[in-house]
Amino acid sequence: AQTVTQSQPEMSVQEAETVTLSCTYDTSESDYYLFWYKQPPSRQMILVIRQEAYKQQNATENRFSVNFQKAAKSFSLKISDSQLGDAAMYFCAYRSPRAGNNRKLIWGLGTSLAVNP
Amino acid sequence: EAGVTQFPSHSVIEKGQTVTLRCDPISGHDNLYWYRRVMGKEIKFLLHFVKESKQDESGMPNNRFLAERTGGTYSTLKVQPAELEDSGVYFCASSQGTYENIQYFGAGTRLSVL
Repeated sequence: AQTVTQSQPEMSVQEAETVTLSCTYDTSESDYYLFWYKQPPSRQMILVIRQEAYKQQNATENRFSVNFQKAAKSFSLKISDSQLGDAAMYFCAYRSPRAGNNRKLIWGLGTSLAVNP
Repeated sequence: EAGVTQFPSHSVIEKGQTVTLRCDPISGHDNLYWYRRVMGKEIKFLLHFVKESKQDESGMPNNRFLAERTGGTYSTLKVQPAELEDSGVYFCASSQGTYENIQYFGAGTRLSVL
């Protein structure tokens, strides 16, 4: 069975600085999807970034980028130029390949990110 | 376009009572998922609807939980009777298409069983 591990329960960063959130996973599958979601306090969870395992290039979305190391089964999220609005709980998630009916997301425990002004 | 909406945002009930959570997916999304996060633990999958059919209900904890999606639109998740360990945040998500890989989430319903 697949597992996702986020070993940092809490992180903090100064506004305008860069922070990296860690995520490792375990799977025997060769193709899969990885996601970072963020949930601000009392608000809905939104997708930050996704990575398809068969793509070697790291995904980037504006100030958010990932470092995807397939062999090491590592999927870290880097937030550059941190803003106050980045403060949230960040979840790393895994999903099996597109084929078949197994579309559930498998989640890490989450990392609570505080952004200090 | 309206996102995924969940009602209520917070529910406090006593052990043994019944609670019904509702999820309205994004219009046109055939796939609807329920997840639960118990305090201190990972978010766990509960079940997956494709339209009105249960595609995968392998995560439902026990028969005190009943999920429905009549007409393939909104879904309800009923807990009857509620136990203390049912407390947590219940998330609903929806997605579109057969090979979709993006699930859109609601804000969740926080259930407190006292």
